[in-house]
Amino acid sequence: AAGVIQSPRHLIKEKRETATLKCYPIPRHDTVYWYQQGPGQDPQFLISFYEKMQSDKGSIPDRFSAQQFSDYHSELNMSSLELGDSALYFCASSGENSPLHFGNGTRLTVT
Amino acid sequence: ELKVEQNPLFLSMQEGKNYTIYCNYSTTSDRLYWYRQDPGKSLESLFVLLSNGAVKQEGRLMASLDTKARLSTLHITAAVHDLSATYFCAGTRYTGNQFYFGTGTSLTVIP
Repeated sequence: AAGVIQSPRHLIKEKRETATLKCYPIPRHDTVYWYQQGPGQDPQFLISFYEKMQSDKGSIPDRFSAQQFSDYHSELNMSSLELGDSALYFCASSGENSPLHFGNGTRLTVT
Repeated sequence: ELKVEQNPLFLSMQEGKNYTIYCNYSTTSDRLYWYRQDPGKSLESLFVLLSNGAVKQEGRLMASLDTKARLSTLHITAAVHDLSATYFCAGTRYTGNQFYFGTGTSLTVIP
């Protein structure tokens, strides 16, 4: 079965640079979520989209933005990167009455 | 906001033993989920609990939900080393699409 696909798997950026993470949800899933997970931490909700419209916003910094496109893929844009942004970034998708299905994540390292 | 608390945070147990992980949540949640995460890996959905009294079992793991007590449990029977991972519970609210994660329980099964 198709899963949530994220790219890239690993990303290394320098401070103040910009990064873009991509996510392709499971087909026919109507909701996409972005989570940030620091080392030893639980996943922190950033933002979600329902049918391409932003539906919920969590602890997403103003330096970050996200959108969902007509083909349902989503991108998380991160600007003015800081050392503290180094983390695993997960995209997840869900359909009606389904659990979150997580992608394999993007490991971002900011140096 | 739905607050989700797990205990214990760390659990070290010997193979063959039984133990229970507890997940308390702060307010009404319409469903409760359990996930497993191996180090550096994605989160894998284990159970979805939809109603009071729901009990689900898969192998050596059994999850239950008591909505009146706002408590879910994950019971481990006759633990084996392969169960070593971090286990998260997560809840959702009736309104909004946000999943709220607990702090996670890091389980180590010692041979």
